[in-house]
Amino acid sequence: DAGVIQSPRHEVTEMGQEVTLRCKPISGHNSLFWYRQTMMRGLELLIYFNNNVPIDDSGMPEDRFSAKMPNASFSTLKIQPSEPRDSAVYFCASSRGTGSGGNQPQHFGDGTRLSIL
Amino acid sequence: DAKTTQPPSMDCAEGRAANLPCNHSTISGNEYVYWYRQIHSQGPQYIIHGLKNNETNEMASLIITEDRKSSTLILPHATLRDTAVYYCIVRSTDKLIFGTGTRLQVFP
Repeated sequence: DAGVIQSPRHEVTEMGQEVTLRCKPISGHNSLFWYRQTMMRGLELLIYFNNNVPIDDSGMPEDRFSAKMPNASFSTLKIQPSEPRDSAVYFCASSRGTGSGGNQPQHFGDGTRLSIL
Repeated sequence: DAKTTQPPSMDCAEGRAANLPCNHSTISGNEYVYWYRQIHSQGPQYIIHGLKNNETNEMASLIITEDRKSSTLILPHATLRDTAVYYCIVRSTDKLIFGTGTRLQVFP
């Protein structure tokens, strides 16, 4: 079975540009999670969706960040305008079940390495 | 979700068992113990999880103490490819909260 697919794998862009990261969850999974990893802060949850509905976006750093999930097989994380401090590795994960009390493992993609110059 | 404590680093000889400890003394009755690992430049990889009973799968074994305040992840025959950061997480909700983990170095 295909795992979580993220694109692009690497993105280098200049400050002020719009950045769009994409994620395709595992088929049949109805929860989707966006994480960010930096050396300073480690792995942080940004936002997650259940059945395409955003449930908790308390980890989204500021209004420049937005995430959508228009259908069960696709999600985007957008940064507009981008800043150098947004440079990080962004991971997407998916899992079965909603409100399962923590009994469903999340499976991660290989991430997008983002560099903002 | 309860906080976990792990040693920052450990070494293990190739072919030997790697035993990674985790303390979670404030764990609640409905919180699961999860283990993930992250090999350099890759996404976190799910290893195993459990609630009360010990668990085993093709990757590892999870031993949870009777009081559930600590657990041990066992890699029975470590290989060089098991070199990674290992995260112990306790959760009762959809969220995973990652700590700093244990950096396991397997040496020849």
